[in-house]
Formats: sequence, C-alpha cells, structure tokens
Amino acid sequence: DQQVKQNSPSLSVQEGRISILNCDYTNSMFDYFLWYKKYPAEGPTFLISISSIKDKNEDGRFTVFLNKSAKHLSLHIVPSQPGDSAVYFCAASLYNTDKLIFGTGTRLQVFP
Amino acid sequence: EAQVTQNPRYLITVTGKKLTVTCSQNMNHEYMSWYRQDPGLGLRQIYYSMNVEVTDKGDVPEGYKVSRKEKRNFPLILESPSPNQTSLYFCASSLQLGSSTQYFGPGTRLTVL
Repeated sequence: DQQVKQNSPSLSVQEGRISILNCDYTNSMFDYFLWYKKYPAEGPTFLISISSIKDKNEDGRFTVFLNKSAKHLSLHIVPSQPGDSAVYFCAASLYNTDKLIFGTGTRLQVFP
Repeated sequence: EAQVTQNPRYLITVTGKKLTVTCSQNMNHEYMSWYRQDPGLGLRQIYYSMNVEVTDKGDVPEGYKVSRKEKRNFPLILESPSPNQTSLYFCASSLQLGSSTQYFGPGTRLTVL
C-alpha cells in the first residue's frame, strides 16, 4: 500500500514557466517531507524539505507547499529551466523513527 | 569530497550466484541505507543501519543481507539472487534517518538472468 503517492508519472513544461509537482500522502503521522531530484545514471540528490509545522518553505526558484488537512504537498519551480529536467521524488518521514518513505517519482521535462 | 561510492556500477549475473555490492561513505555518517528503485514503485528501503553492528529491515528485505562492521562500509549481499532482484540499487548515508538529508551513491544496476 503506497503511503506516498505521486499520481503524475510525467510533466512537460516550457522553459520560463512554472512547474508544479504534486505529492499526496495517507499517514497523518508523517512530520517531515523532502523532495529529491534524480538525473539519469546518478543517485537522487536532496532538493528541499519542509517540516509539518510549516506550510511553506522557499529556496531560490524552488518552493514547497504543505497542506496538512488535504495531506498534500507540492513543489513549485519558477522559472523552470532545461537543467531542471529530471525525475523528482517526494519523501516523508515518521516522527522519531528511522523510516523514510518515497513516492514513485515524476519525470519533469522542461523544453525550450 | 564528501561522497557515497558503490561498486560495481553495473552487474549481470545468473540465478543463484552469490554477489556483494559494496557501499562506502566518507562523511562519518552513522546511518546508512539500501534502496531499490523499480518502475512504478519508486525507491523502497531494503535494509538500514543506525551504527556499527546495528542493522534493521526496511520494507523489502527478503533475499538480502547486510553487515556493518565498520562505520564507513555497508555492503549489500545477495546470497542466492533471483530474477525478481533485477533492479537499480542505491546506497545512502545520513547523519540520521527521517528528517536528515540522505546522500545517495550513484547506483548499481543489477540484472539477474
């Protein structure tokens, strides 16, 4: 049973526009959420995170929004660049445990 | 340079032939994990280790073994590989699991014939 879901396997966006990647989760005990980016032939790299006590975290072009009532988080990339083309994984962790649950990933393609 | 290394990067083997995928980190991290990535399933945790000689099962541990004799190394052992273990494997390390950023190795693509 997938506790962290990314329902869009792929997304295509024009350069300069906004990319919005979505993630839903089922366990209300998750208290920390992370986004990782993965290029082909490389391991995932950390992008941005958010604690459950916040509803927004921003880092340059990347902003993560958390809606706890809807059990939904999203990653906004503005403006999108061709170098952002990658697979994006969201992940969630349970408070005071050693578990990190990943979603299935969304492949983002930014075209000129 | 801070990094997680894995070897080999690519491996083709046959059913039943024992193999080991090595993982090493140079960041003095206590926590290390192994994941497998499969299409449509994302990254699933196989085993993790909280420190030397302390390991525990993740979500998909069947068919795998691990050991943590030194802080920097966390090998993944497949005693009798089967075709359903064909996958892309990632090792990761972090100061702690959960809210701490995990650093991933480059991946090992394993094919079991």
